[in-house]
Amino acid sequence: DTGVSQNPRHKITKRGQNVTFRCDPISEHNRLYWYRQTLGQGPEFLTYFQNEAQLEKSRLLSDRFSAERPKGSFSTLEIQRTEQGDSAMYLCASRPGGSFSEAFFGQGTRLTVV
Amino acid sequence: LAKTTQPISMDSYEGQEVNITCSHNNIATNDYITWYQQFPSQGPRFIIQGYKTKVTNEVASLFIPADRKSSTLSLPRVSLSDTAVYYCLVSNSGYALNFGKGTSLLVTP
Repeated sequence: DTGVSQNPRHKITKRGQNVTFRCDPISEHNRLYWYRQTLGQGPEFLTYFQNEAQLEKSRLLSDRFSAERPKGSFSTLEIQRTEQGDSAMYLCASRPGGSFSEAFFGQGTRLTVV
Repeated sequence: LAKTTQPISMDSYEGQEVNITCSHNNIATNDYITWYQQFPSQGPRFIIQGYKTKVTNEVASLFIPADRKSSTLSLPRVSLSDTAVYYCLVSNSGYALNFGKGTSLLVTP
């Protein structure tokens, strides 16, 4: 499978715990995005990487959220001290370079904070 | 970033043509228009993209008038499997893709 891969697919955690999600983009794609989606809403932009550089962060990304993309390959999204409001689907997408390229999304990681 | 407005929901019968219109009054010169489809518990999937006039691919057509302040996604002869949420996005290459709430399309027999 050469698509965007996200792991784990599902995560249940207790409030206050830290969680980390991983995204493996399509190999030749230099652009990577993280989104959060709650029920009935469209995906909300969290952050954007071009290669290893984090170029844009949403105000939604509080201090408890951090994302990395070492060496411009896979990316991780960590949430510290999880809260019930963090329960959502976390989506990763990658795009190749070029002005009109489409984004390819992974299946997402569904986080439930209990 | 250009904001988009689209109907919250639409209903259609199988076999009909469905047209979903998106308004983007403050689109910038270097913005292009992209539509994505999303099924429950899956990530969005690219459908079609255009800058102006008409674009057609194997699944849909995209109509963009000269002023580019709106666009219409046309799905010919929809089937039950086209039931999904459809998002209209306006962006350029260097910025985030901003999704609105989308249009929830329900196709019934």
